[in-house]
Parts: sequence; structure tokens; C-alpha cells
Amino acid sequence: GESVGLHLPTLSVQEGDNSIINCAYSNSASDYFIWYKQESGKGPQFIIDIRSNMDKRQGQRVTVLLNKTVKHLSLQIAATQPGDSAVYFCAETAPLYAGGTSYGKLTFGQGTILTVHP
Amino acid sequence: GAGVSQSPSNKVTEKGKDVELRCDPISGHTALYWYRQRLGQGLEFLIYFQGNSAPDKSGLPSDRFSAERTGESVSTLTIQRTQQEDSAVYLCASSQGPEGEKLFFGSGTQLSVL
Repeated sequence: GESVGLHLPTLSVQEGDNSIINCAYSNSASDYFIWYKQESGKGPQFIIDIRSNMDKRQGQRVTVLLNKTVKHLSLQIAATQPGDSAVYFCAETAPLYAGGTSYGKLTFGQGTILTVHP
Repeated sequence: GAGVSQSPSNKVTEKGKDVELRCDPISGHTALYWYRQRLGQGLEFLIYFQGNSAPDKSGLPSDRFSAERTGESVSTLTIQRTQQEDSAVYLCASSQGPEGEKLFFGSGTQLSVL
């Protein structure tokens, strides 16, 4: 079936560096994408989302880029801090029917472990 | 409530016993999800409730798993005749509606089957 996957399962960076986490998705009908951060022992926490009518969206220290042509999503974290160390998941969903506004289940990718060294 | 609440936070049970896991979504959220997360792995979709529509049960791994939701409030995930491979964190999430809004997750129930 359709799935969302990640290129890199682990990423180690130095504090202050910029981090880039990548995600490939396979469902061409997906038009809503979300990045989540999961710290140890906690549920995933929303970071940023983007709809397919956009290529880029910025938040506080985070930017999500969407390339629909190659079905690729990335999360950029500026000036990475030790508190950013966590597992990062991308997720995607599609309308139940073409052109519809009701969505089906959210499908998560494998996850990338980000470790930030002081 | 302020967030998605799940209970119990931890559950230890013996193989073959039944367990019930509870989820209280954020008030007013019409969509509710259950996911399973094995140690060190991603989130495995189990079931999705949206308003009064028939739930999407396509992720339930076997007929030992079932879930119910009362209106747009509490949901219960039941696992019958638990097996050791059922050991995982079971996460519940809710969102405002059917239009692909972001999910808010609870902290999960850690289930250990001995």
C-alpha cells in the first residue's frame, strides 16, 4: 500500500548547526503534510504543517519544504539546540475523494532520530 | 480538557488476558485516532473515527483488536487474549474535524504483556 518513508534514520549535529530531515512520500493524492517531534516517553508533538498548494512554510526556527514533483518533504531546523534532540516523523494524508474536503487517516513515516551535541 | 488524556499510563498484563485502554480526546474534536508504536519504531495506524461516519478499521492487526467511541467523546481500545507481540505504546490522538487538521496526541499507554 501507500507509505511515507524517510531517507535517514539518524542524524547527529553540533549545537548551532542547521539540521535537515528528509521524507519521501508515495501517495500522489496526499495534499496535507505534517511534521511531528517525539521526545522520549511522550506522544508526538506538532511542529509544522503544509498543504500542497504551498512549496514552503516557515515557523519559529523551522521551515518545511514540499516538492510535489518528486514527492519529497523536508524539515529544516535553524540553529539546532540540544532540546531539539528527539525523533522526528513526517506524516501525510489525502482527501477520501478527489476534490473532497474530508480526509482519511494520517500515515506516518519511519522517523529520524536527531541528536544534537553540545 | 486541556489535552488528550489516556489511561492507564502503564499496563502490565499476562498473556491471554483482555485489556482496555481509554482515551479522552480534546473537547469538540470530532476526529479520533489510535496508533501503536513498538519500541524504537514508527507509528502504526490502527483505527480512525470521524464524527458519525463508519470508522476506518483498516489498521487493526487482528480480530483480537477492537475499538469503540461514544459519540464525539471517549474511546476505548480493547485487546482480547493479549499476546507478547502486543507489547507497545498505544497512542491516541484527536483533531478538530475531517479536513486534515493537525492531530494532538496523548502521552500513550505503555502495554507490557508478560
